[in-house]
Amino acid sequence: DTGVSQDPRHKITKRGQNVTFRCDPISEHNRLYWYRQTLGQGPEFLTYFQNEAQLEKSRLLSDRFSAERPKGSFSTLEIQRTEQGDSAMYLCASSLGAGAPPLEQFFGPGTRLTVL
Amino acid sequence: AQTVTQSQPEMSVQEAETVTLSCTYDTSESNYYLFWYKQPPSRQMILVIRQEAYKQQNATENRFSVNFQKAAKSFSLKISDSQLGDTAMYFCAFFPQGGKLIFGQGTELSVKP
Repeated sequence: DTGVSQDPRHKITKRGQNVTFRCDPISEHNRLYWYRQTLGQGPEFLTYFQNEAQLEKSRLLSDRFSAERPKGSFSTLEIQRTEQGDSAMYLCASSLGAGAPPLEQFFGPGTRLTVL
Repeated sequence: AQTVTQSQPEMSVQEAETVTLSCTYDTSESNYYLFWYKQPPSRQMILVIRQEAYKQQNATENRFSVNFQKAAKSFSLKISDSQLGDTAMYFCAFFPQGGKLIFGQGTELSVKP
């Protein structure tokens, strides 16, 4: 079990460019979550998948953001036409599903995005 | 709207002493879960402890325990015998029926030798 991994760990881009982040969850986990964390704040939910189905999207996820999990394994988060306000840490988490009680979400190290 | 509030942005404690971090939340739901997560500097977030709302007994995990007051919507974390490795951001999180965690703003805890 290698844990949740994210790539890249850091990304610096210019305003208006597109960026894509990747998340590899723990292999047997069928749920995958994306959160955004700005400096000094707690993570904010963006979206989550159960297998390949995207079940919920936050209103924080504008039309410039898109997330996919094509085969129910890894996921990508793309931001088009980046803005300075997109600068944040993007966290990915995975869990074994929606059983009761909710199973622990395991977090990755995050991708820190800086938009110049 | 469901919200989580941590009113202590920063706290410090001497090594081996006890510290309590506060958290309040707002919800109209009766069944939910509450969590404390720890985020060490430049390291990933890990779960410290969790509490089911339907359980009256407070959860404990080694040196970590909670004081869950459902009527008051309060969920504090007590760390006993603080260690240098406890230095981190601590986030209180609420998990309603629906699959997403709602986090508080965090409390930065410094354990001093």
